[in-house]
Amino acid sequence: AQSVTQLDSHVSVSEGTPVLLRCNYSSSYSPSLFWYVQHPNKGLQLLLKYTSAATLVKGINGFEAEFKKSETSFHLTKPSAHMSDAAEYFCVVSPYNNNDMRFGAGTRLTVKP
Amino acid sequence: GAVVSQHPSRVICKSGTSVKIECRSLDFQATTMFWYRQFPKKSLMLMATSNEGSKATYEQGVEKDKFLINHASLTLSTLTVTSAHPEDSSFYICSARVPRRGNEQFFGPGTRLTVL
Repeated sequence: AQSVTQLDSHVSVSEGTPVLLRCNYSSSYSPSLFWYVQHPNKGLQLLLKYTSAATLVKGINGFEAEFKKSETSFHLTKPSAHMSDAAEYFCVVSPYNNNDMRFGAGTRLTVKP
Repeated sequence: GAVVSQHPSRVICKSGTSVKIECRSLDFQATTMFWYRQFPKKSLMLMATSNEGSKATYEQGVEKDKFLINHASLTLSTLTVTSAHPEDSSFYICSARVPRRGNEQFFGPGTRLTVL
């Protein structure tokens, strides 16, 4: 079985400050892990993915995430938040080469001016 | 590459009518597509896996007679919400896997269904 827990339903930061969105996973297999972003009434855009290569994954728009097997975590970070980063973020786990993708509940990121 | 489109982007219908939503892979052939439902301020829930040329596989609790899925070609899957009711109002999102690119899914922009 596999599942994802996003530890914060809502994160609020000031523009220019660091962003940390937390994700813990559970998987019976070597997982692939993804972070997607969803802006209001829009589809999902892939930020980054981990598929058993480098544990530090760099994505688009300055985001990165580190796969920590010992902590079963895949937290998303960005050094400096921008107003355009305000959106809903989903952490997703999937066994490699398996159809099954399980979404976390989502974290809403608010960026204050 | 790997673009997925959905049509329509938004639809409003009367209770009791049926609504068809199309999902297309524009620049690749997708043997497998997925349909998700998203409630307001909630996560995505997988409804079914659509396989080209065969019956869809529905997740537990999803009514197959209510949500008809057809995947007649390698670039098109359709979801028909039959006899829609207000509780069917939701954001429906499809996705597709690109062959030989592992399990990453590419998502369409979604369809907002409102049933009056």
